[in-house]
Amino acid sequence: DVKVTQSSRYLVKRTGEKVFLECVQDMDHENMFWYRQDPGLGLRLIYFSYDVKMKEKGDIPEGYSVSREKKERFSLILESASTNQTSMYLCASSSSGGSTDTQYFGPGTRLTVL
Amino acid sequence: AQSVSQHNHHVILSEAASLELGCNYSYGGTVNLFWYVQYPGQHLQLLLKYFSGDPLVKGIKGFEAEFIKSKFSFNLRKPSVQWSDTAEYFCALRNQAGTALIFGKGTTLSVSS
Repeated sequence: DVKVTQSSRYLVKRTGEKVFLECVQDMDHENMFWYRQDPGLGLRLIYFSYDVKMKEKGDIPEGYSVSREKKERFSLILESASTNQTSMYLCASSSSGGSTDTQYFGPGTRLTVL
Repeated sequence: AQSVSQHNHHVILSEAASLELGCNYSYGGTVNLFWYVQYPGQHLQLLLKYFSGDPLVKGIKGFEAEFIKSKFSFNLRKPSVQWSDTAEYFCALRNQAGTALIFGKGTTLSVSS
């Protein structure tokens, strides 16, 4: 079974803090993704990475950055957290097997910024 | 631009009722479509997916979906729902570049016993 783990289930931070969200997958997947999930808005892609040290902006990258130094690990960074970044953050991974690859999701990190 | 729309925000059913959740997409090319489910307190998991071939796709837990190209639709169905189907359901379309998924806003299904 594919396993995608996220470092924290719940996180509370203060406005202006630098926040790191970590994601690890154990299936040697090339692709990794960060989404945020908000009620009534579904999932929106923040960033994705198709290889180590490679990254692409998604639909809502503003205020976020990412890091992928190792294949199994993909980090989302909030340089200066703001209250409008309070959300559920989901990490996912997939192989690069062409169009048939499925994304596997982690349990999510619920971030509250006060 | 590609997009996915789910018509129903919240659906309430009694056990044993039939279910159909609507999903429409906008994209004129070859499509890869997915339905994901998120049970309360659990992570998103794949219900079923369509890539090509038979437009009627069967997934886990008795769910199925039908791809109708002429209607740009990929509706999810189940003939008889159970209380345990209470969850949030997301329809998704692979983007044109093939690199990521575009999700709909989700439909919350509440099933009463």
